[in-house]
Amino acid sequence: KAGVTQTPRYLIKTRGQQVTLSCSPISGHRSVSWYQQTPGQGLQFLFEYFSETQRNKGNFPGRFSGRQFSNSRSEMNVSTLELGDSALYLCASSLQTGLGVNSPLHFGNGTRLTVT
Amino acid sequence: AQSVTQLDSHVSVSEGTPVLLRCNYSSSYSPSLFWYVQHPNKGLQLLLKYTSAATLVKGINGFEAEFKKSETSFHLTKPSAHMSDAAEYFCVVSDQVSSASKIIFGSGTRLSIRP
Repeated sequence: KAGVTQTPRYLIKTRGQQVTLSCSPISGHRSVSWYQQTPGQGLQFLFEYFSETQRNKGNFPGRFSGRQFSNSRSEMNVSTLELGDSALYLCASSLQTGLGVNSPLHFGNGTRLTVT
Repeated sequence: AQSVTQLDSHVSVSEGTPVLLRCNYSSSYSPSLFWYVQHPNKGLQLLLKYTSAATLVKGINGFEAEFKKSETSFHLTKPSAHMSDAAEYFCVVSDQVSSASKIIFGSGTRLSIRP
């Protein structure tokens, strides 16, 4: 069974631009959650989608948004990029919603975004 | 409110010696507690999960963790370290109240293994 796939692996953008990251979950998984990892703030939860609906949301500004398609693939968009958005963005898929409580989270290898 | 504190940012042990990574937590509800491992340039991998069924939880690769409610601790141990254990380890707390879920990550402990 294929694991969680995140594309692209690396991305370089300029301040003010926008970016879209993609996450393909494990086949059969309906939950996709997104996380930001930085040296300063560590790992922080962004949001979770389940069956195309946002179920849970972290404390990030509205510039960070996401969506989920009918095949469970998810995209995350960041608009008006800031230098502080440079980070490793991880997604995780799971059979059920609940951020690991009800079924295990399976993480992708991440997209490393650099904002210059 | 939830919080997770990993007491050591870096732990170094010799190969073949025991590993202890410390974690204290705080939660208003009955949380689920996890340990995840992250190797360089990789995502997180679940080591083990506590959900109140048993206080001693066995995970993959010989790791164990003991839930101590009185001490609000969930320390990760392994009897004998292997070179392949060198990685970053995260203690995580997650809970679900009604239909809302929260997840909080500890700041991580980097484990180094000396030959």
